[in-house]
Amino acid sequence: DIVMTQTPLSLSVTPGQPASISCKSSQSLLHTDGRTYLYWYLQKPGQPPQLLIYEVSNRFSGLPDRFSGSGSGTDFTLKISRVEAEDVGVYYCMQSIQLPTTFGQGTRLEIK
Amino acid sequence: EVQLVESGGGLVQPGGSLRLSCAASGFTVSSDYMTWVRQTPGKGLEWVSIIYSGGSTYYADSVKGRFTISRDDSKNTLYLQMNSLRAEDTAVYYCVRDLSFWGQGTLVTVSS
Repeated sequence: DIVMTQTPLSLSVTPGQPASISCKSSQSLLHTDGRTYLYWYLQKPGQPPQLLIYEVSNRFSGLPDRFSGSGSGTDFTLKISRVEAEDVGVYYCMQSIQLPTTFGQGTRLEIK
Repeated sequence: EVQLVESGGGLVQPGGSLRLSCAASGFTVSSDYMTWVRQTPGKGLEWVSIIYSGGSTYYADSVKGRFTISRDDSKNTLYLQMNSLRAEDTAVYYCVRDLSFWGQGTLVTVSS
């Protein structure tokens, strides 16, 4: 199985400041079809996970442009340019290049 | 508007069975791939099973031979039949549409 490792596991950020989460996979997520199957989700308190970013850098519908995803191969990053109070929750990366689909451990973002 | 409504969770004794349902609206379950993902405090998010539009199914090793994913196109509903339940199957179970949209989840507790 592909292991997804996120760092840090928790983050405390002042509103308006940037935040960055790293996700590393144990194998390349670049498929022979040219696409890279790395996703980012946010689980807000009491809610199911919601898709933020698909295939490394594509924002899902309605996602503010202060969220951005980057990376390639086995190293990926989610960045929030200016954190807002509504961004609190747990962020997960996930790979779907190979079954079983696997998730990172999650990074908890809190507001200072 | 896309909606996924899970039901069927509850308390069951070890060795027992449950059938989870996921009623979909706003799209056709047979036209997308559908996934079950579970979440526990200790193990985080764990992929359980997938059914593709063509009907192919796959399972996590931890549930293979005990769980069965299926769908009823006439009811636009996804199912997860869970047999020989174990304490470690205790989790919130989510149905997910093509990794983009998650239902609210249903809690399964396996305990005597």
